[in-house]
Amino acid sequence: IAGITQAPTSQILAAGRRMTLRCTQDMRHNAMYWYRQDLGLGLRLIHYSNTAGTTGKGEVPDGYSVSRANTDDFPLTLASAVPSQTSVYFCASSDSPAYNEQFFGPGTRLTVL
Amino acid sequence: GQNIDQPTEMTATEGAIVQINCTYQTSGFNGLFWYQQHAGEAPTFLSYNVLDGLEEKGRFSSFLSRSKGYSYLLLKELQMKDSASYLCAVTDSNYQLIWGAGTKLIIKP
Repeated sequence: IAGITQAPTSQILAAGRRMTLRCTQDMRHNAMYWYRQDLGLGLRLIHYSNTAGTTGKGEVPDGYSVSRANTDDFPLTLASAVPSQTSVYFCASSDSPAYNEQFFGPGTRLTVL
Repeated sequence: GQNIDQPTEMTATEGAIVQINCTYQTSGFNGLFWYQQHAGEAPTFLSYNVLDGLEEKGRFSSFLSRSKGYSYLLLKELQMKDSASYLCAVTDSNYQLIWGAGTKLIIKP
């Protein structure tokens, strides 16, 4: 693999179900990010990790959790999905939080019914 | 609060020049990025400005004025493939990227 991969590409989920979106990068970047993108609202940061073993909350963290056990993987979990979490989710990474040119994965389109 | 403003939509003609403006109010400033996003795809990096002035890269140029909290992206010799959304993002004092909602650029033949 080269760059960032996300899985699944798309998913339809029943409300109340638990779901984990996967993200893996092979660029050995220190920082990783999860965004959601909704029409007219742009990209909104959910959670971030500046380095393996640390995580932080972004603008819209409620209902989501993350972990960063190693450099490459940064999964996003929805503990109990709600329809307002219907969105396109992008994972991104950058070499350094200080100069954060971010590289994006292809996105996961999630629909919660 | 932190805010990034850019026009929602712009229309231009193939072969012409278009300027997309971005104004920002953020807690601190550590650089400004422009990204391109085609429909259904991920954003991709276009340019980075941290000092005042113009950065040119082929048909695309980006300008920054830190005192005015203002940037623009200039696209020359427009091609149909330039039809996309253009996202302005500012790195704040905590080194977090604050994103604008994006400008949808429509190119007409």
